[in-house]
Order: sequence, then structure tokens, then C-alpha cells
Amino acid sequence: GQNIDQPTEMTATEGAIVQINCTYQTSGFNGLFWYQQHAGEAPTFLSYNVLDGLEEKGRFSSFLSRSKGYSYLLLKELQMKDSASYLCAVKKAGNNRKLIWGLGTSLAVNP
Amino acid sequence: KAGVTQTPRYLIKTRGQQVTLSCSPISGHRSVSWYQQTPGQGLQFLFEYFSETQRNKGNFPGRFSGRQFSNSRSEMNVSTLELGDSALYLCASSTSGDSQETQYFGPGTRLLVL
Repeated sequence: GQNIDQPTEMTATEGAIVQINCTYQTSGFNGLFWYQQHAGEAPTFLSYNVLDGLEEKGRFSSFLSRSKGYSYLLLKELQMKDSASYLCAVKKAGNNRKLIWGLGTSLAVNP
Repeated sequence: KAGVTQTPRYLIKTRGQQVTLSCSPISGHRSVSWYQQTPGQGLQFLFEYFSETQRNKGNFPGRFSGRQFSNSRSEMNVSTLELGDSALYLCASSTSGDSQETQYFGPGTRLLVL
């Protein structure tokens, strides 16, 4: 089967660091995306991991372990504007181009 | 470049009616994917169009259909609306839909079925 798991909700404090985990079980794997979605808005691209390891992009970093079916998004120096839903999506291998999406993690950043 | 645009932004319909939603991709993008987003189910893939052809399809009933025009603009249609069709419908475009490409989402059409 195909399954992507993320925590439903997380809370953190402004200025802190938070790690949002994503585990997946899919038949074939060709990469993992992280998107950010503010309430009432469209998802926006954050990162794409294909190979194992950590990719850093400013305050946001994304990690992937293909053997463990695991990824995390790390947000540093949290700001109030980081309050949003964070969506993990897996790209399947082969001709099937559709993404399999997690339900998202709603992050609340408190002052 | 202008982003992905969707019209209308909000729509209220009653059960049994049909609805057509429109999506204009980013200029130069030829792949358009449609998603349904609900709180309980998250983002569910509907279908993907490329060069006026449906290239991939999710697990939705035949009431959900779509098409793509020669200018890459796409429409999706839902016939015989049901209450459960109330959702945010998002379209996303990419250059060719290849596996490593980023998809760019439109603001969505929020559909309420009464």
C-alpha cells in the first residue's frame, strides 16, 4: 500500500527550532517534496530531496533517509509567519507522475 | 511571470448541479495537475494533463472530468454534485511534469455544495 504519515499538529515558540517528521511507505520512490501552505492559500514549494542527506536552504533544511522511508523538515529561528501547514509529498518512480501527499502538519508559532 | 491563476475563487452550488473550474498555468508550462483538498483527506490527486492529453488519473469517479486546451489552459468539470464534493480544488503547473520538477500551485477554487 501507500502511506505517508506526519504529525497532525505541532506548537513551537518564536526563535526556537522545530523538526517536522514524515515517514512513508510507497511502491517505488523518486523523491520527496516539502510544501508550505498558509491558511486559505496555495501550497508553495520548500524543498525536494532525492538522495540521502541534509539539504539546507536558509532557515529551512530537509533531510531524507531512503532506507528508512523517513524525512524531516527543520525550521530554525522560527518566526510568527512560519505558522502554516507543512505538507510532505512523495514522487513515485516510473511513468506514474502523481504525487502521494501526507495530510500535513499544522504548525503554530507562539510569541 | 504571472503565477497560476484559477477561476472562480469561490463557488456555491446545490446537489445535483454541475460545475466547471478553470486553471491557467504559468506561461510556458505544459503540464497541469488537479487536486482536491479536504481537511480529512488532505490533497488527493485528480488528474494530470499534458499537451491536451490526460496523462495520469487518480481514483475519483467518472463525475470528475477535465480537459486541456492548446494554450495549456485546463478545465475540470464535476457533474451531479454531492455534498462530499465540497472542497478546495487546486491546480498546479510545471514545465513538463517530469518527476524532478517542482509544481506551482494556483490559489484554488473553494467549492461549497449545499
